[in-house]
Amino acid sequence: EPEVTQTPSHQVTQMGQEVILRCVPISNHLYFYWYRQILGQKVEFLVSFYNNEISEKSEIFDDQFSVERPDGSNFTLKIRSTKLEDSAMYFCASSPSHGELFFGEGSRLTVL
Amino acid sequence: AQSVTQLDSQVPVFEEAPVELRCNYSSSVSVYLFWYVQYPNQGLQLLLKYLSGSTLVKGINGFEAEFNKSQTSFHLRKPSVHISDTAEYFCAVSETLGSQGNLIFGKGTKLSVKP
Repeated sequence: EPEVTQTPSHQVTQMGQEVILRCVPISNHLYFYWYRQILGQKVEFLVSFYNNEISEKSEIFDDQFSVERPDGSNFTLKIRSTKLEDSAMYFCASSPSHGELFFGEGSRLTVL
Repeated sequence: AQSVTQLDSQVPVFEEAPVELRCNYSSSVSVYLFWYVQYPNQGLQLLLKYLSGSTLVKGINGFEAEFNKSQTSFHLRKPSVHISDTAEYFCAVSETLGSQGNLIFGKGTKLSVKP
């Protein structure tokens, strides 16, 4: 069964460093998303991406964040200069046209 | 603005007992409703969804949920739980589908099934 895959599963970084989280969405899906879940808190929407551009983003998704689909398969989230409060589990999701989101297993980011 | 409230942060229950996980939402327009499950150290998996039609929707693993528009609720139920149902359950709402919509999640309910 096709699935969304994410790498790395866990990344530890120093504050101020750049981090890139990678996702391979399901191949025939058209919509891509990033969500995050800070430990003990709810899952929060970050950004959605369609037709090679951002379609919607939340207040969390500030200038430190960017997304890219560099080729036909990968969908990346970049945090330019990480802060302690960026520590969270980051989930990638993809969706066909009818709205069901398929989530990856997440990438845990720890900022020291 | 949309919001989702899951009143119970933790629900302990014995194996083979029935369970109901509560979810209420607020929205000024029609919504689409979802329940996701997160097993330990895993991602979010869709249990069931309400898009339109019958208000009683059945999902995987014997779960079902009923959309009640007047009470703005979408409670999740299972008549007899198993140890393997131990997980965190998230209710989510979206006002639109596809690229123009995103999911708003509740805080989650941790279901703990004891033998």
